[in-house]
Amino acid sequence: QVELVQSGAEVNKPGAAVKVSCQASGYNFSDHYMNWVRQAPGQGLEWMGWINPNGGGTTYAQKFEGRITVTSDTSINAVYLELRNLRSDDTAVYYCARDPGQLAALSHFDAWGQGTWVTVSS
Amino acid sequence: DIHLTQSPSTLSASVGDRVTITCRASQSVSKCLAWYQQKPGRAPNLLIYKASTLHTGVPSRFSGSGSGTEFTLTISSLQPDDFATYYCQQCESFYPGLTFGGGTRVEIK
Repeated sequence: QVELVQSGAEVNKPGAAVKVSCQASGYNFSDHYMNWVRQAPGQGLEWMGWINPNGGGTTYAQKFEGRITVTSDTSINAVYLELRNLRSDDTAVYYCARDPGQLAALSHFDAWGQGTWVTVSS
Repeated sequence: DIHLTQSPSTLSASVGDRVTITCRASQSVSKCLAWYQQKPGRAPNLLIYKASTLHTGVPSRFSGSGSGTEFTLTISSLQPDDFATYYCQQCESFYPGLTFGGGTRVEIK
């Protein structure tokens, strides 16, 4: 079965960077885009960007352009989210989420990681 | 941007009730709309995609309809496990970003 396991909670200071990992198993990793979605405390869901592990192409939400980098390592079936220049309003749960499309994005999400809490505080 | 507006934001209902949640898009998304269920402290789960296609393993009491700018998620007979928050998400445009509705919390009456 498809499983996405994320790294543990992080506490970071304003201006720092955070890197969250997502380890995938149970499917052909290179065939499916992987997305990052975040949720601030008590708030809704916000899409951040995706990566095509087959080639490494990325697309980011305009809001995060310049601060975000999503990478993948096909040798270990992992995807990484790096967010730089952290602010207090980046405090959120960050989820990786798989696109079910085979080799092409359908742009919805059929499997999610358990979430990683990122707290930004001085 | 494509903005999604869900209504109501909170819905109080009883077990066995028929429940309908609406999602309106600021411009047409064709049938490129998905619905998710999220329980407190958990990741969302996909219920419906392409506006009306039930995801594998989702109970048949859930259904979706609509196209263009207006969509509905219906739960035909609310079950105790269905008390949760529901989100719609458009997949038509990823510029400036794929977007979600603000959520509808379904609570026990």
